[in-house]
Amino acid sequence: AQSVTQLDSQVPVFEEAPVELRCNYSSSVSVYLFWYVQYPNQGLQLLLKYLSGSTLVKGINGFEAEFNKSQTSFHLRKPSVHISDTAEYFCAVSDRGRNFNKFYFGSGTKLNVKP
Amino acid sequence: ETGVTQTPRHLVMGMTNKKSLKCEQHLGHNAMYWYKQSAKKPLELMFVYSLEERVENNSVPSRFSPECPNSSHLFLHLHTLQPEDSALYLCASSQDPSGTEKTQYFGPGTRLLVL
Repeated sequence: AQSVTQLDSQVPVFEEAPVELRCNYSSSVSVYLFWYVQYPNQGLQLLLKYLSGSTLVKGINGFEAEFNKSQTSFHLRKPSVHISDTAEYFCAVSDRGRNFNKFYFGSGTKLNVKP
Repeated sequence: ETGVTQTPRHLVMGMTNKKSLKCEQHLGHNAMYWYKQSAKKPLELMFVYSLEERVENNSVPSRFSPECPNSSHLFLHLHTLQPEDSALYLCASSQDPSGTEKTQYFGPGTRLLVL
């Protein structure tokens, strides 16, 4: 089974500053990788995903993530954050080759963008 | 209506009540999932249905009973719950459990409070 680690439970940042949210997973087998965002009192919304191909993935709202197989990481980045990016962000990993796509989620990182 | 919908959005129930949560997906997907999201804990996968057949049950207490009458609808029947069952219950769906499109799409959740 996979384990997903989001080392930072909270990340405070000022508006227009860059941000990186870290995600590491345990297994080196082929995986699919996802980032979701959750705004207060809402469900999870897909930000971006890596299934194959280019290791740099661009998502919605100006976010991007880079898949690093050797470091088993999938860090999320944004060059300039907005107040509206304040939310909780979840990294998820799914093993390839299973007959259904079980997701392993990290414990989440709360991004707090300050004016 | 598009995407994944959940009703009710909020539910307060006593420990002796019986209630049901409903999830409906309008995406033509073949797999549906129930997750529990508690404060300060990673998302917990509860049940998975693939092509209307239950394929995973993660040691969930019997006071939670899922039902999947067709590929578009998923229910979670609740009976004699405990206060520690208070949480956000999220429903998700995905296209093809055996294929390469693994993305799970989430509903807005039902916030459950057990008194």
